[in-house]
Amino acid sequence: QIQLVQSGPELKKPGESVKISCKASGYTFTDYAMNWVKQAPGNGLKWMGWINTQTGKPTYADDFKQRFVFSLETSASTAYLQINNLNIEDTATYFCTIPGDYWGQGVMVTVSS
Amino acid sequence: DIQMTQSPSLLSASVGDRVTLNCKASQNINKNLNWYQQKLGEAPKLLIYYTNNLQTGIPSRFSGSGSGTDYTLTISSLQPEDVATYFCFQYNSGPTFGAGTKLELK
Repeated sequence: QIQLVQSGPELKKPGESVKISCKASGYTFTDYAMNWVKQAPGNGLKWMGWINTQTGKPTYADDFKQRFVFSLETSASTAYLQINNLNIEDTATYFCTIPGDYWGQGVMVTVSS
Repeated sequence: DIQMTQSPSLLSASVGDRVTLNCKASQNINKNLNWYQQKLGEAPKLLIYYTNNLQTGIPSRFSGSGSGTDYTLTISSLQPEDVATYFCFQYNSGPTFGAGTKLELK
């Protein structure tokens, strides 16, 4: 069965970077684009963008064109989201998701001094 | 960017009620709209895709309709397990979610 398993929670200070992972199993990794979604505490969902798993080309939503990097390790069927120069507003749960309604369990990133 | 406005933001209803949730786009999205249900602490779950298509495994009391800029999710007979927040999501252009409707039991 298809599964997306994300890495564990992160606690970071402002200005630091974080890299979270999303490991896919149960399907051919390059068959589906990987999307990323942000959910700040008590807030709604925000689509961050997607990465083409065949070419590695990322596409970022307007609010995520600076400081955010999508990448792949295709041999490990894993997608990554890196956030650089973290600020308080980056505190959120980050989900990976593929078409067909498969979601990772979410990674809580807390940014606090 | 296309803005998605959901109404109401909070809805209280009784078990068995017919419930209607609304989503309005800032421009025509050509029926390219999904509805998601999210329960506390969980990932969102797809209920309806392309405006009115029921995702596999979703109860038939859920239905979607709409066109152009106006879309609706209807629950024909509210059940206790439907307590959740519901989001619309347009993928016509520069995908965006609505802010959500929180559905609670009266």
